[in-house]
Amino acid sequence: QSVLTQPPSVSGTPGQRVTISCSGSSSNIGSHDVFWYQHLPGTAPKVLIHRNNERPLGVPDRFSGSKSGTSASLAISGLRSEDEADYYCSAWDDSLSGRVFGGGTKLTVL
Amino acid sequence: EVQLVESGGGLVQPGESLRLSCAASGFSFRDYYMDWVRQAPGKGLEWVGRIRNKAGRYTTDFAASVKGRFIISRDDSKYSLFLQMNSLKTEDTAVYYCARDNWGIDFWGQGTLVTVSS
Repeated sequence: QSVLTQPPSVSGTPGQRVTISCSGSSSNIGSHDVFWYQHLPGTAPKVLIHRNNERPLGVPDRFSGSKSGTSASLAISGLRSEDEADYYCSAWDDSLSGRVFGGGTKLTVL
Repeated sequence: EVQLVESGGGLVQPGESLRLSCAASGFSFRDYYMDWVRQAPGKGLEWVGRIRNKAGRYTTDFAASVKGRFIISRDDSKYSLFLQMNSLKTEDTAVYYCARDNWGIDFWGQGTLVTVSS
């Protein structure tokens, strides 16, 4: 059971917009910045969003992040087949004195 | 270009020890906190622990699942990060990632596989 709650899976067709939610609490998302990662099996995870809604250089603007209270979300617009991957949210947790991750969401492009 | 390259993974028996290394390049290693994160087969990402920089007195934090068994250290002169894993359990089997911590993990290595099995 992960501290941050994500849906196990989402799906969409090419060109569609999908969102992935990440629910936490006042000790993590409510107090700290949220990061989002894309992970393809056998590769290094890649940061898509840092500090809630900022995109690192090189990340397409099809990816966007938002945060409100103790929840955050990642939106992917103009869905592409290469977006098929696992997506994770993460934040620091004051109660645990550690970094926590969501359980991961598998995105399928139909 | 930022690079993190892990090494030292392998097959060990329960109760044994293993030391992982991470070679960093392309950034000012000494200025950053550094983390270890793992992924067990078929599971999600799990934070293992982190070490602060010199300004943070090189102090460490650990996940409850490894506290007291794992030690994180660093050698800033060699741009290197280490994870000493003791009293290994079968549930420690995972790919271990070295990661740069910039108020959140902002860069990851490719990972090294640790298998704990008799």
